[in-house]
Amino acid sequence: DAKTTQPNSMESNEEEPVHLPCNHSTISGTDYIHWYRQLPSQGPEYVIHGLTSNVNNRMASLAIAEDRKSSTLILHRATLRDAAVYYCILTGGTSYGKLTFGQGTILTVHP
Amino acid sequence: DTEVTQTPKHLVMGMTNKKSLKCEQHMGHRAMYWYKQKAKKPPELMFVYSYEKLSINESVPSRFSPECPNSSLLNLHLHALQPEDSALYLCASSRPKDEQFFGPGTRLTVL
Repeated sequence: DAKTTQPNSMESNEEEPVHLPCNHSTISGTDYIHWYRQLPSQGPEYVIHGLTSNVNNRMASLAIAEDRKSSTLILHRATLRDAAVYYCILTGGTSYGKLTFGQGTILTVHP
Repeated sequence: DTEVTQTPKHLVMGMTNKKSLKCEQHMGHRAMYWYKQKAKKPPELMFVYSYEKLSINESVPSRFSPECPNSSLLNLHLHALQPEDSALYLCASSRPKDEQFFGPGTRLTVL
């Protein structure tokens, strides 16, 4: 499985935008970029995914670099409830359906 | 109903005990997964069932025995576990090759 690299931790203030980066320089053409998050004491939760184009949903936006070697998860207005570990995961080809979690980014949101 | 339920929430067992974890979903998903998560680590895939058949076993020791009796139910049978098997066990379900929905997990302690 292609590997992703994320910062260990990031901090934000409430109601400010948050940009969570992910590097995936060995991504293949069939790999989708998925983001999940895990709130304290809960199971992971799907956030968003994309292949080549930028994506928006009610939770977040995903900006994918033109060469697909990096992506950024954007939370437009962070709330305290967004404090979680955010995982950037590549899926595709024979591993499709299988999630291989990296270490993720711990997001702290300050009131 | 967009929920994955797991029982029990907590389980304490001795190394000679036999116990089972249960996972249930009523979203019509035909793929179901078991993950193991140690403290402060990301989840690790253990097993994948697709259409009630085991499709992926990530070289999990035989003291963990999965079972998928029907399309809504997934069990994990535990026997002769070791203290290092203490962890949060997460169940997930999805349509094949789609976003995964996770349950809250069973916190297992092996004495």
